[in-house]
Amino acid sequence: GQSLEQPSEVTAVEGAIVQINCTYQTSGFYGLSWYQQHDGGAPTFLSYNALDGLEETGRFSSFLSRSDSYGYLLLQELQMKDSASYFCAVRDGPTYTGGFKTIFGAGTRLFVKA
Amino acid sequence: GAVVSQHPSRVICKSGTSVKIECRSLDFQATTMFWYRQFPKKSLMLMATSNEGSKATYEQGVEKDKFLINHASLTLSTLTVTSAHPEDSSFYICSAARWGSGELFFGEGSRLTVL
Repeated sequence: GQSLEQPSEVTAVEGAIVQINCTYQTSGFYGLSWYQQHDGGAPTFLSYNALDGLEETGRFSSFLSRSDSYGYLLLQELQMKDSASYFCAVRDGPTYTGGFKTIFGAGTRLFVKA
Repeated sequence: GAVVSQHPSRVICKSGTSVKIECRSLDFQATTMFWYRQFPKKSLMLMATSNEGSKATYEQGVEKDKFLINHASLTLSTLTVTSAHPEDSSFYICSAARWGSGELFFGEGSRLTVL
């Protein structure tokens, strides 16, 4: 079966650093993505790792270890606007018309306090 | 970034009726679109892959006769919830993938309420 595990909730204070972990077990693997979703909004793409290591994009970084089926999203210098749900997502396999089928984890709700 | 538009954003219908939701990629051709369903404070559940010019590929447990998907052009996919029941009430989100990219661009979502 397919499963992605991530913590359900994380709370942190403004200016802090928070790490959201994700472990996965899927039939296929073509990369790990992270998406942010504010309440009532659509998910937006944050980052993607196809190979092991760290990818940095501004205040956000994402890490992948394929041998451990594990990845994490690191958020630095937290701001109140970072309060949202964060989903890890596995690109399970290519479709025959292009793109990759993507399976999402349950999401981690991040609460940033002043 | 790429824009995906979804319409309507909210719809209320009576039990037994059918509802159509449209998903358009506004600035790129999308040979593949995906339909997800999301319950409150829950994950996005992949329902089906919409393939331009051919039949949709449904995930296990999703009734293809109930959730009709049509992808007749490179910029439009539609999801029709047929004979809707209250348990079909949910947030439906479409996404599109640009050719050669795995990044998903999401529509704004459609909140369906079946009375």
